[in-house]
Amino acid sequence: AQSVTQLDSQVPVFEEAPVELRCNYSSSVSVYLFWYVQYPNQGLQLLLKYLSGSTLVKGINGFEAEFNKSQTSFHLRKPSVHISDTAEYFCAVTRVGDDKIIFGKGTRLHILP
Amino acid sequence: NAGVTQTPKFQVLKTGQSMTLQCAQDMNHEYMSWYRQDPGMGLRLIHYSVGAGITDQGEVPNGYNVSRSTTEDFPLRLLSAAPSQTSVYFCASSKGGGFNTEAFFGQGTRLTVV
Repeated sequence: AQSVTQLDSQVPVFEEAPVELRCNYSSSVSVYLFWYVQYPNQGLQLLLKYLSGSTLVKGINGFEAEFNKSQTSFHLRKPSVHISDTAEYFCAVTRVGDDKIIFGKGTRLHILP
Repeated sequence: NAGVTQTPKFQVLKTGQSMTLQCAQDMNHEYMSWYRQDPGMGLRLIHYSVGAGITDQGEVPNGYNVSRSTTEDFPLRLLSAAPSQTSVYFCASSKGGGFNTEAFFGQGTRLTVV
């Protein structure tokens, strides 16, 4: 079975500073990887996904993530954060050919003024 | 498009009561699923369906039932509510077929069992 570990439950960062949210996965088969964002009192929406091809994936709102197969990681980055990025971020995985999404426990991003 | 619609948005139940959380999607998606979100636990899969008439259990199915009589609707039933089922519930849908396209989520139902 596949699993996802988000190494930080909360990440505080100053506005306009860079941020990295860490995600590691475990699976015995090939997987696809996703980052979802949940703004306060809302459902989740897709930020970006890695299916195949280039290991650097660009998403919405200036976020990007890099797939590293050897380290089984899919860290999310943004070069300069804004107050509007305050949200909870979820890393997720699915087995290739499957539809079940397994989520990590989430990372709360706190933007400090 | 409405996307994924969940009702109700809020609900308070007494222990032992039953209720149904409704979920409907208008995107003709084959795959639908229910998650519960608890602080520090992320989203945990309760039940899922790969198409009308087909359902299966996820990680935390106990205490919940589902059915899928149409492509559009995927209700979640709590047969006898317990305080441990206090949570925020999310319904999601996606194209299915292993294409791993984007999953669309409803706005959630916040359930409190007293």
